Amino acid sequence: EAGVTQSPTHLIKTRGQQATLRCSPISGHTSVYWYQQALGLGLQFLLWYDEGEERNRGNFPPRFSGRQFPNYSSELNVNALELEDSALYLCASSLRFRVGSEAFFGQGTRLTVV
Amino acid sequence: AQSVTQPDIHITVSEGASLELRCNYSYGATPYLFWYVQSPGQGLQLLLKYFSGDTLVQGIKGFEAEFKRSQSSFNLRKPSVHWSDAAEYFCAVSGGQGFSFIFGKGTRLLVKP
Repeated sequence: EAGVTQSPTHLIKTRGQQATLRCSPISGHTSVYWYQQALGLGLQFLLWYDEGEERNRGNFPPRFSGRQFPNYSSELNVNALELEDSALYLCASSLRFRVGSEAFFGQGTRLTVV
Repeated sequence: AQSVTQPDIHITVSEGASLELRCNYSYGATPYLFWYVQSPGQGLQLLLKYFSGDTLVQGIKGFEAEFKRSQSSFNLRKPSVHWSDAAEYFCAVSGGQGFSFIFGKGTRLLVKP
C-alpha cells in the first residue's frame, strides 16, 4: 500500500513568487494536514482539510492557503514568498475522527526561497 | 487550548544506556497522545500511541511510554539505546474541536559510542 506522497521533493523559488506543494494521502484517508518545519521551530501546524473542506488553520498569514480535491489529495499554496518561508513542509493523512487513528507523514517538500 | 511541551531540546546518552524523553501536554479532556521519530531529511514515523486503557504502552524499536494523567505527562523510555536511535523525537496530542495534531518542538537525541 502506498504511503503519503509529496511532490516535488525540493523546490527553489525567488522571493515574491508563488509556490505550490502537492500531497496524496493514503488510500481511504480523508483528512490531510500540513505542517511547516523550519529550523529550530519544530512542527508548526498550518492547515487541516477533511472531506474537501478546511477544518482548522494554524497561526499563519492568509498567503498560506490550500485546498483538498474530491480524491482527497491536497495542495498547499504559498503566495508572495518570503525568505523565512524556507522550510520543510510536511503533509500527513489520517482517518477522520476514528478513535486513536494516527497521522501518517510524507517525506516532505524542502522549499528554499532565495 | 491544546499544547505540548518537550522541555529538552537536546539529550546525549551513551550507547547502551537508558533513555527517557519528557513530554507534557495541556488538554481539557482525555487526549490522544503520540510519539514520532524523525531521521535527518525524512518524514515522521509513529513510535507509539495512547488513547485509553493501560497507561504503559509499547511501541516499535523497543520504545515504551507511560501516560500519567496527574502529571499531564507522556514520557518516552527505552532501556538500552542503540546508535541508530539518534534522531529527533516529537510528542503530539490530538483531539478536541479542531481534531488536529499538535506537536512539541522536538528533542534531538545524540548517542555517544
